[in-house]
Amino acid sequence: KAGVTQTPRYLIKTRGQQVTLSCSPISGHRSVSWYQQTPGQGLQFLFEYFSETQRNKGNFPGRFSGRQFSNSRSEMNVSTLELGDSALYLCASSSGLAGVSVKEQFFGPGTRLTVL
Amino acid sequence: AQKITQTQPGMFVQEKEAVTLDCTYDTSDPSYGLFWYKQPSSGEMIFLIYQGSYDQQNATEGRYSLNFQKARKSANLVISASQLGDSAMYFCAMREGFGNEKLTFGTGTRLTIIP
Repeated sequence: KAGVTQTPRYLIKTRGQQVTLSCSPISGHRSVSWYQQTPGQGLQFLFEYFSETQRNKGNFPGRFSGRQFSNSRSEMNVSTLELGDSALYLCASSSGLAGVSVKEQFFGPGTRLTVL
Repeated sequence: AQKITQTQPGMFVQEKEAVTLDCTYDTSDPSYGLFWYKQPSSGEMIFLIYQGSYDQQNATEGRYSLNFQKARKSANLVISASQLGDSAMYFCAMREGFGNEKLTFGTGTRLTIIP
């Protein structure tokens, strides 16, 4: 079974630009969550999508948005990039079934975004 | 209050020794899950082990075991017979409730295995 894939793996952008990151979950998984990892703030939850609906949202400005497609693939968009958006962006995949204690969440390799 | 606390920023352990990484958590939700992840320098988060709040037994996965003490709200990771490849950052994380996959992470512990 293929793991979680993220594209691109590395990205360099300049301030003010926008960026779109992609995440393909494990086959059969319907939940995709996004996290930002920085040396200063650690790992912070951005949002979670389940069956094309945003189910949970972290405390990030509206410049950060996401969506999920019918095949469960998810994209994350950051508009008007700031220097502080430089980070490793990780997505996690799980079955996400409501009412079930999901015992595994698997992460992709991450996209390392550098904003100059 | 921090939801997940990892008090050991760094640890050095001799190869083949056992190591315990500490994690305490704070939640008022009776239904929660605790996860441990390993993050090598490559950046990928590798799932190690899971413990549910209603699980009666401590979780084990190969060389990894979780010392779950519910009353103390601690979920320490034990790695037996450490190997050089165990050198990495280790994160403890918690999910609260059902139907929601949000994980709250601790600050991590950098483990270095000495040959």
